[in-house]
Amino acid sequence: SQTIHQWPATLVQPVGSPLSLECTVEGTSNPNLYWYRQAAGRGLQLLFYSVGIGQISSEVPQNLSASRPQDRQFILSSKKLLLSDSGFYLCAFSTGGAGQPQHFGDGTRLSIL
Amino acid sequence: GENVEQHPSTLSVQEGDSAVIKCTYSDSASNYFPWYKQELGKGPQLIIDIRSNVGEKKDQRIAVTLNKTAKHFSLHITETQPEDSAVYFCAAYNNNDMRFGAGTRLTVKP
Repeated sequence: SQTIHQWPATLVQPVGSPLSLECTVEGTSNPNLYWYRQAAGRGLQLLFYSVGIGQISSEVPQNLSASRPQDRQFILSSKKLLLSDSGFYLCAFSTGGAGQPQHFGDGTRLSIL
Repeated sequence: GENVEQHPSTLSVQEGDSAVIKCTYSDSASNYFPWYKQELGKGPQLIIDIRSNVGEKKDQRIAVTLNKTAKHFSLHITETQPEDSAVYFCAAYNNNDMRFGAGTRLTVKP
């Protein structure tokens, strides 16, 4: 079966520190991969998506970057975190081409102090 | 780009009653409409979806209706149970672009 894993589940970081959140997918190949941010009580904001290794599209200008070093691995990074980077970060994948459902990981709760 | 609006933002019902959540979208080219349920501290889970060539889809107590002309779609939950309490999101998809509504917090009171 297809599964998605995100870690860590929670993270507390000081302002100005670097960030690396990892997401891996199992049970499928060449998935589309997505990073979302969810502010408290709000909807989902798409940050990045990737249709293949090394292919990253950014939806909003920001302090974050994404990389896809392997087919089923998606990493969200920052060199220097800002207070405004706090939030709930979700990774998702879809398979089978256009118009297919996205399946989400359980997210990382990031708090910046 | 696509804009999805979702109402209400909060909904409280008595156990056994029905719950209806409504969404509207702006891009007539959108052709796929999933619904997600998110429990506290978890990622959203797909519960039902509908494509633009279908007007209604049902899965046990959950149903979704789509009106392409009016560009709105709705989630219907019948015989609600306390475990239905969660945040529900609608979404509209077009051309590799999935846009989500802001969510509805559903509370089912026993």
